Amino acid sequence: SQQGEEDPQALSIQEGENATMNCSYKTSINNLQWYRQNSGRGLVHLILIRSNEREKHSGRLRVTLDTSKKSSSLLITASRAADTASYFCATDWKGSQGNLIFGKGTKLSVKP
Amino acid sequence: DADVTQTPRNRITKTGKRIMLECSQTKGHDRMYWYRQDPGLGLRLIYYSFDVKDINKGEISDGYSVSRQAQAKFSLSLESAIPNQTALYFCATSDTMKPQYFGPGTRLLVL
Repeated sequence: SQQGEEDPQALSIQEGENATMNCSYKTSINNLQWYRQNSGRGLVHLILIRSNEREKHSGRLRVTLDTSKKSSSLLITASRAADTASYFCATDWKGSQGNLIFGKGTKLSVKP
Repeated sequence: DADVTQTPRNRITKTGKRIMLECSQTKGHDRMYWYRQDPGLGLRLIYYSFDVKDINKGEISDGYSVSRQAQAKFSLSLESAIPNQTALYFCATSDTMKPQYFGPGTRLLVL
């Protein structure tokens, strides 16, 4: 399976702290995407990083990509209670015709 | 109005019944997808369609069928529902090599 794997599976932090989630994958990719899911709701796209990019920022989000290690990380700075959600990485792998393979997610809990 | 809508939002059915889940989008995207989500397993692709005449099986298509009635509409059918098809079902749309936009999901319980 080309499925990405997030680490940790669950993360609990206090408001104001930073949260880091990691994703590893198995095959060459075109891009890697991070999505957020509030409990039981649809996924929302956060950020897309292409295989030739190493770092990308969007507001309080910072994503890095290391294609040599087949890994990515998502950093949320100065977390808020509203950041509580599950976060998924998804890989658009070479040969997939643009389809995504989702990891199992990291469940983030931010305590006020 | 939401860009991607799914109906119904919740459904309870019995083993052996045929049911249809519907998805509509106003994004104008050619690509549409059906996923299922089970607790702790992330999303798995059931079927995908790159345009009205191009429909493909995903990772877990057994027991499911789809119909792309128009660019904006993509329906998922369970011909004879079974309990292990109890899950949260999502429809999504996208342009080529672009992020996917998800519907709110349909929670299905098969008794």
